Amino acid sequence: AQRVTQPEKLLSVFKGAPVELKCNYSYSGSPELFWYVQYSRQRLQLLLRHISRESIKGFTADLNKGETSFHLKKPFAQEEDSAMYYCALLGYGGSQGNLIFGKGTKLSVKP
Amino acid sequence: NAGVTQTPKFRILKIGQSMTLQCTQDMNHNYMYWYRQDPGMGLKLIYYSVGAGITDKGEVPNGYNVSRSTTEDFPLRLELAAPSQTSVYFCASSSVNTEAFFGQGTRLTVV
Repeated sequence: AQRVTQPEKLLSVFKGAPVELKCNYSYSGSPELFWYVQYSRQRLQLLLRHISRESIKGFTADLNKGETSFHLKKPFAQEEDSAMYYCALLGYGGSQGNLIFGKGTKLSVKP
Repeated sequence: NAGVTQTPKFRILKIGQSMTLQCTQDMNHNYMYWYRQDPGMGLKLIYYSVGAGITDKGEVPNGYNVSRSTTEDFPLRLELAAPSQTSVYFCASSSVNTEAFFGQGTRLTVV
């Protein structure tokens, strides 16, 4: 089964602290994974995708096939990082079309 | 560069009324999706389409209908509005091997 799990519904950290948003996936084959972000009252937008291996706004995410994880990390959180974060898997067929989202993690960065 | 356009942005419905949420994309994407996002919650897939003339149910299809007569358009129909359908609705589109692009959302209140 193709599935994306984000175990934390809410993550609260202080400004300047490291942050890690967890994402685990279930997929047979080579997955394509994404992180989307939704700032308050804005549309969802792509933050990064694993195949590009880039860092966006200080965030990075490494695909770990052994642990089937794609955790999102940032060494020093900023208040403007407060948002809803979604991990997504590009699947094939199945009951959710070709894009499968996790339930999302709300990140709150406190001053 | 329009991307995914949803109309209306806001709507208040009375219980039992019907309405259609419009979604159009100009990127020639095969896949289109409708999600709802309840306050403080993640995305839930309502319906999706893998191409013109093909639609399928997602996680929460009850109370909704869709059609996909063209590649560009994917309207969502609410026949008998209920308070439980108060939510923010997002339309999205994607193609094979691309990320999803989202509309700006429709905030619907049923009173």
